Amino acid sequence: QVQLQESGPGLVKPSETLSLTCTVSGGSMRGYYWNWFRQPPGKGLEWIGWIGYVHNGGKNNFNPSLKSRVTIPEDTSENQFDLRLSSVTPADSAVYYCARAPTDYEGSFGWFDLWGHGILVTVSS
Amino acid sequence: EIVLTQSPGILSLSPGERATLSCRASQSIIRNYLAWYQQKRGQAPRLLIYGASNRATGIPDRFSGSGSGTDFTLTISRLEPEDFGVYYCQQYGSSVMYTFGQGTNLEIK
Repeated sequence: QVQLQESGPGLVKPSETLSLTCTVSGGSMRGYYWNWFRQPPGKGLEWIGWIGYVHNGGKNNFNPSLKSRVTIPEDTSENQFDLRLSSVTPADSAVYYCARAPTDYEGSFGWFDLWGHGILVTVSS
Repeated sequence: EIVLTQSPGILSLSPGERATLSCRASQSIIRNYLAWYQQKRGQAPRLLIYGASNRATGIPDRFSGSGSGTDFTLTISRLEPEDFGVYYCQQYGSSVMYTFGQGTNLEIK
């Protein structure tokens, strides 16, 4: 049974880089798109970006509003993927989730069938 | 950016009743690429429906999705106590960016 688990620091200082890891256990990352989301306390969900392992190598796509600050690097460990968000401010405080996007028979994707439990990250000095 | 507007914001119903949740898009969603999620307090979202009407694995058949173009509906035919929570619609018709509605809070009356 595939499970996802987010990990990383729960407190980040303003202007620093937020770094999180999602560990995928019980299955392969190949053939899926792996995503990051965030949800400020009491608010709605925001998609951050994905890295895809459907074809050779990892490819990315990001929320345009965050694109200049986000990287989701290809991880050579094959069971983890990371999120790096630079120049954070208190507005970046949120619960961060990782999630899996499968593909259908046509290769379409964009729905998220498996989620981590989430990790609360607070940006404060 | 495709904006999704959900209504009502709060829906108060009793177990056994029928729930109808609406999601309206600011522009037509190609190929009905719309999903629905349930989220309970302190938990991650749970996929219910994708492709507007396809139930995800393990989702009871009291949950059904319908609609096309700009208007979509999630129906829960007969509410169980565990069905109360916040429901979000999400579009993936725009490959540039995925967006969510603001949520409908389904609460026990």
